[in-house]
Amino acid sequence: GAGVSQSPRYKVAKRGQDVALRCDPISGHVSLFWYQQALGQGPEFLTYFQNEAQLDKSGLPSDRFFAERPEGSVSTLKIQRTQQEDSAVYLCASSLFIHEQYFGPGTRLTVT
Amino acid sequence: DQQVKQNSPSLSVQEGRISILNCDYTNSMFDYFLWYKKYPAEGPTFLISISSIKDKNEDGRFTVFLNKSAKHLSLHIVPSQPGDSAVYFCAASALSGNTGKLIFGQGTTLQVKP
Repeated sequence: GAGVSQSPRYKVAKRGQDVALRCDPISGHVSLFWYQQALGQGPEFLTYFQNEAQLDKSGLPSDRFFAERPEGSVSTLKIQRTQQEDSAVYLCASSLFIHEQYFGPGTRLTVT
Repeated sequence: DQQVKQNSPSLSVQEGRISILNCDYTNSMFDYFLWYKKYPAEGPTFLISISSIKDKNEDGRFTVFLNKSAKHLSLHIVPSQPGDSAVYFCAASALSGNTGKLIFGQGTTLQVKP
């Protein structure tokens, strides 16, 4: 398909484990965003890439969160030493024009 | 500090009637607004947007109204269909000097009854 894809769709991690979440944006989309959505809430911004450059990481909740997009296409969000409060759906979005972002299906992370 | 608020967690309407979803914002720097629709286990899907230079934008059954003085926007769906049942999020962004990050409301669950 031509949409944004994310993997895995579901991830269960034990507290303290590291996880890596992958996002494949729509081909040709320059901008890539990561959001975190807690249960019953709207998505909250984590970080933004323009091509391979991470231009805004103001939403990352702690230094345990790290994102990269080394070749300006696929992006990985890594969470080190996961905590229970990290349990959420992690959404990736890409856009050609700055505002209309197209979202992937998300990765549901459960930390036990 | 919730900059974008959707004060109605849920809304139920009859098929064929109008659905009106509301959204309020506090940041006067916001100048672009979007509505997204979300089904369970899927990501949000873009519906319609409006720039602050307009007060209305229409796309088929969907119309978004913006009242800048009141810092309020609404999404009208006419006529409502059962397939419209989903969670609706409004989102806002500031064009100038911004990365384009979206600030979302908490969402309103719309149920359209046949």
